[in-house]
Amino acid sequence: AQKITQTQPGMFVQEKEAVTLDCTYDTSDQSYGLFWYKQPSSGEMIFLIYQGSYDEQNATEGRYSLNFQKARKSANLVISASQLGDSAMYFCAMREISDRGSTLGRLYFGRGTQLTVWP
Amino acid sequence: DAGITQSPRYKITETGRQVTLMCHQTWSHSYMFWYRQDLGHGLRLIYYSAAADITDKGEVPDGYVVSRSKTENFPLTLESATRSQTSVYFCASYSGSEAFFGQGTRLTVV
Repeated sequence: AQKITQTQPGMFVQEKEAVTLDCTYDTSDQSYGLFWYKQPSSGEMIFLIYQGSYDEQNATEGRYSLNFQKARKSANLVISASQLGDSAMYFCAMREISDRGSTLGRLYFGRGTQLTVWP
Repeated sequence: DAGITQSPRYKITETGRQVTLMCHQTWSHSYMFWYRQDLGHGLRLIYYSAAADITDKGEVPDGYVVSRSKTENFPLTLESATRSQTSVYFCASYSGSEAFFGQGTRLTVV
């Protein structure tokens, strides 16, 4: 089964609007962490935001916020006031922190969502 | 400079040759990873390491070898390069809530 599912291969948003990129995850662990990355056309992977499973508040970093719904196992990325430079591929990732089995510590990635911001 | 660096950034090699991709991080992060990224496959884990001298296979380890004698270095070796190993390779490291990637190495096997 997929550990991380990103159901939107592509998303379009107009400049200055907000956009939500979906991410659902699958784990039986109570302790885990969730990451979002941005990959522009230049290819580098840029770390955006992190949410721990025990964090009570949703993580925020500037225009990025993570809408964390633990019961639904979703960790959607919200980008407010989109800019043209936000056009990129976005990846959601998870690491399991509890000591279960040999895959402890692995970073699992979704397939990504290609975001296009238009003027 | 603090960070995670990969070398070389670009490499062209011939089928059958051995090639080593280097990864160095300055944070002393425990975990390090090697991924390959190909169109249509996303990021696939090749190998990872939880600490010096502890490594484990990921999804696509065949044809690759890793070592981690020092915490800061995690080289990836293609023992006998094949054309199917043409890809972009990313090294990553993390500790706690920080997880960072290197700039990537674009490898072409001809």
